[in-house]
Amino acid sequence: SQQGEEDPQALSIQEGENATMNCSYKTSINNLQWYRQNSGRGLVHLILIRSNEREKHSGRLRVTLDTSKKSSSLLITASRAADTASYFCATDARGDSGYSTLTFGKGTMLLVSP
Amino acid sequence: DTEVTQTPKHLVMGMTNKKSLKCEQHMGHRAMYWYKQKAKKPPELMFVYSYEKLSINESVPSRFSPECPNSSLLNLHLHALQPEDSALYLCAIQDSNTGELFFGEGSRLTVL
Repeated sequence: SQQGEEDPQALSIQEGENATMNCSYKTSINNLQWYRQNSGRGLVHLILIRSNEREKHSGRLRVTLDTSKKSSSLLITASRAADTASYFCATDARGDSGYSTLTFGKGTMLLVSP
Repeated sequence: DTEVTQTPKHLVMGMTNKKSLKCEQHMGHRAMYWYKQKAKKPPELMFVYSYEKLSINESVPSRFSPECPNSSLLNLHLHALQPEDSALYLCAIQDSNTGELFFGEGSRLTVL
């Protein structure tokens, strides 16, 4: 079952603007990850934040995690046309099988116009 | 460049055909995944292999049959598929230390 819910479903901005995407989830997690997918391609890992972390940076990416609200946000600063893609959050929770698996949210489609 | 290679990139098959999707990795990670992704939807987990043993089967119909012959290869055998099985099939390898998934570029399957 899908656990993460991204918001907004679609976001359209101009180059140079910041883009913020949010993700909410339902159960306890080990970590939360963000992935990017260009149309029809495989997913690319962007950043991982552990359940005991509150904020993490990587280049133009900033991720926050609020475990009390079961939510995370991904901020892309100074966006570029090349950032146009779908962005998915994925929660990593150890299930009944004992194995850690990722469950993906519905994703946000980001369009950055030149 | 991805370190997870999937073949073929595109596959068109009839409902009576038998075909296979292949995934190859040389990253040394021992957790290997098959995901199915429909258009404008997130990836949905199908199978997980850990150390070449099937660990998770997410109630996938038997017309999909996974196989992990060794630590570098993961196959998905397809038989008697339905048109609604048309999708992008993604292979992923998990780094057990970080939990990060490394995806292949996927095999786009069309069932006629």
